[in-house]
Amino acid sequence: GAGVSQTPSNKVTEKGKYVELRCDPISGHTALYWYRQSLGQGPEFLIYFQGTGAADDSGLPNDRFFAVRPEGSVSTLKIQRTERGDSAVYLCASSSQTSGGAGDEQFFGPGTRLTVL
Amino acid sequence: GESVGLHLPTLSVQEGDNSIINCAYSNSASDYFIWYKQESGKGPQFIIDIRSNMDKRQGQRVTVLLNKTVKHLSLQIAATQPGDSAVYFCAEKVGGTSYGKLTFGQGTILTVHP
Repeated sequence: GAGVSQTPSNKVTEKGKYVELRCDPISGHTALYWYRQSLGQGPEFLIYFQGTGAADDSGLPNDRFFAVRPEGSVSTLKIQRTERGDSAVYLCASSSQTSGGAGDEQFFGPGTRLTVL
Repeated sequence: GESVGLHLPTLSVQEGDNSIINCAYSNSASDYFIWYKQESGKGPQFIIDIRSNMDKRQGQRVTVLLNKTVKHLSLQIAATQPGDSAVYFCAEKVGGTSYGKLTFGQGTILTVHP
């Protein structure tokens, strides 16, 4: 079946602009995650959804960052008043979250590369 | 954890050799650990996981070893192939399950020479 998809694959914007990044999880996966990856570093957790609600948003760096998942499937990460330091690859992952056993691992999409000029 | 920036640890091996990639994790409360492989331009790909009630787990050509005493995790790849060339990340989690916040390590670049 199809994996996690993210659009756009690349986004170039100017400092101060608003951007939206979209994630389509694997069908049937109830858990959805956003991570941010800067060059040469491991992914950094941003937020985790269980269904429609944010179960853990402790990784959002400030109030310019916001994410929604209104129908428990597709999610949108929104960044207001972008700054050059927001430039990174934004990764989305999803998992089935059944028993926490085999097969419940987080499956990652290819990411959206955001460049803020 | 501390950022290393672009200076990731590197491991260079010949095709057919065994590779060992090491990771020191930071949180003594972590009880679930995962190894991911990331190729250029792609998202991380799950390799193998282990829970804290185990010290060794084997998969196809891969073995993960966990030493909770010194908070150390290793990934062994048998008969390394050129297709194994990638960046390898360990990740840790509190809660014993696979879902929720993962904390990733800095990564190791593995290069396999034919």
